[in-house]
Amino acid sequence: QQQVKQSPQSLIVQKGGISIINCAYENTAFDYFPWYQQFPGKGPALLIAIRPDVSEKKEGRFTISFNKSAKQFSLHIMDSQPGDSATYFCAASEGGYQKVTFGTGTKLQVIP
Amino acid sequence: NAGVTQTPKFQVLKTGQSMTLQCAQDMNHNSMYWYRQDPGMGLRLIYYSASEGTTDKGEVPNGYNVSRLNKREFSLRLESAAPSQTSVYFCASSESEREGSYEQYFGPGTRLTVT
Repeated sequence: QQQVKQSPQSLIVQKGGISIINCAYENTAFDYFPWYQQFPGKGPALLIAIRPDVSEKKEGRFTISFNKSAKQFSLHIMDSQPGDSATYFCAASEGGYQKVTFGTGTKLQVIP
Repeated sequence: NAGVTQTPKFQVLKTGQSMTLQCAQDMNHNSMYWYRQDPGMGLRLIYYSASEGTTDKGEVPNGYNVSRLNKREFSLRLESAAPSQTSVYFCASSESEREGSYEQYFGPGTRLTVT
C-alpha cells in the first residue's frame, strides 16, 4: 500500500525551465514533509522540508507548495539547471523523524 | 567527519548464503535506519533504531535481522539470502530534531545481488 504517491516517474526539462513534481498522501496524521535529492551512485540528501501549518516554503530556486485540504504537496524547481539532474523523492512522516514513508521517486533530466 | 559509512559497497551472494551489512555514523545521532531501494519502489524502511538498545520493524522486515551494537553502529543481517533481496541498501541516521528539521543522513549504499 503506497501511502505517498509521486508523479511523474520521469521528467525532462530544458535548462531555465520550471520542473514540477507532485505528491499526494493519504494519512492525515502526517506532519512533516521532506524532499530528498539523490545523484547516481550516492545516498539521498535532504533538499527542503515543510510542515502542514504553512502553504509554501522557498529555499533558493526550490519551492514546496502544500495543500492540506487536498492532501497534496509539490516541488517546484525554478530556472532548472543541468546540475539539478537527479532523482527526487517526496516523503512524509508522523511524529517527526522515525517512520518516514517515501514516494517512488522522479528522475529529472535537465537538458541544455 | 565521515558521516555515515557502509561496508561493503558491492556484494554478490548465492541463494541461501548469509551476510551482514555494516553501518557506522560519527555524528552522535540517536536514531539509525536501514532502507532498501528498488526501481519504481522508492525507499522502503526495513528496520530502525530510535536509540541504542532498541530496534523496531519498518515496512519490509521479513528476511532481515538487525543489531544496534552501540550508538555508532547498526548492522543488517540476511540469514538466508533470496533473489528478492537483490537491491541497494542504505543506512541512515538522524537526531530527534534539529532546528525544526528531522533530516536523515544517508550512507553511500551497498549494492547487493543474490543469484
